[in-house]
Amino acid sequence: NAGVTQTPKFRVLKTGQSMTLLCAQDMNHEYMYWYRQDPGMGLRLIHYSVGEGTTAKGEVPDGYNVSRLKKQNFLLGLESAAPSQTSVYFCASRAYGDFTQYFGPGTRLLVL
Amino acid sequence: AQSVTQPDIHITVSEGASLELRCNYSYGATPYLFWYVQSPGQGLQLLLKYFSGDTLVQGIKGFEAEFKRSQSSFNLRKPSVHWSDAAEYFCAVGGPSGNTPLVFGKGTRLSVIA
Repeated sequence: NAGVTQTPKFRVLKTGQSMTLLCAQDMNHEYMYWYRQDPGMGLRLIHYSVGEGTTAKGEVPDGYNVSRLKKQNFLLGLESAAPSQTSVYFCASRAYGDFTQYFGPGTRLLVL
Repeated sequence: AQSVTQPDIHITVSEGASLELRCNYSYGATPYLFWYVQSPGQGLQLLLKYFSGDTLVQGIKGFEAEFKRSQSSFNLRKPSVHWSDAAEYFCAVGGPSGNTPLVFGKGTRLSVIA
């Protein structure tokens, strides 16, 4: 039981490049979340999903897209990376009826 | 709209001293409250949570927190801090509506000195 895993752990992009961050959970959780963490800002919700095939915007969705084609996976895409998207990205999941969120180890993204 | 305030950005305590981290929340209904800890370079780990019942909740690593509805607070405490407790601590609030994501505070960084 790996819990919540994130791929990759670290990535460097040039401005304008695209990439996809993968979050996978093996706990059969319905809900999944993408956050970004920046110094002094805490965790800010980017997008979330309440079930397979559904997504919703969070607090800071601009510049990101997401997809939840399979229940266990939640993908975060950057179509055209900008330096302002340099951050640490965390994925989390939880089960229906349990409000505890379980976090992945994070992905460090540097956009030059 | 729900919100969480952690008034202290950074706290330094001596090893063996007691600790209290403050958390104030704003929520229109019965809140679900959480404390998470993040060690450097790591993800967030759940310390404890409050949904209902006894307002004093015990968590892992010797931490406890007390829910005070009248003060809209959920402060985290530990009677004797260990050097390994140095980390960042996040308070979060959510609600019984199934689709409501948690809202996190900005965090309090704890340093422990000998």
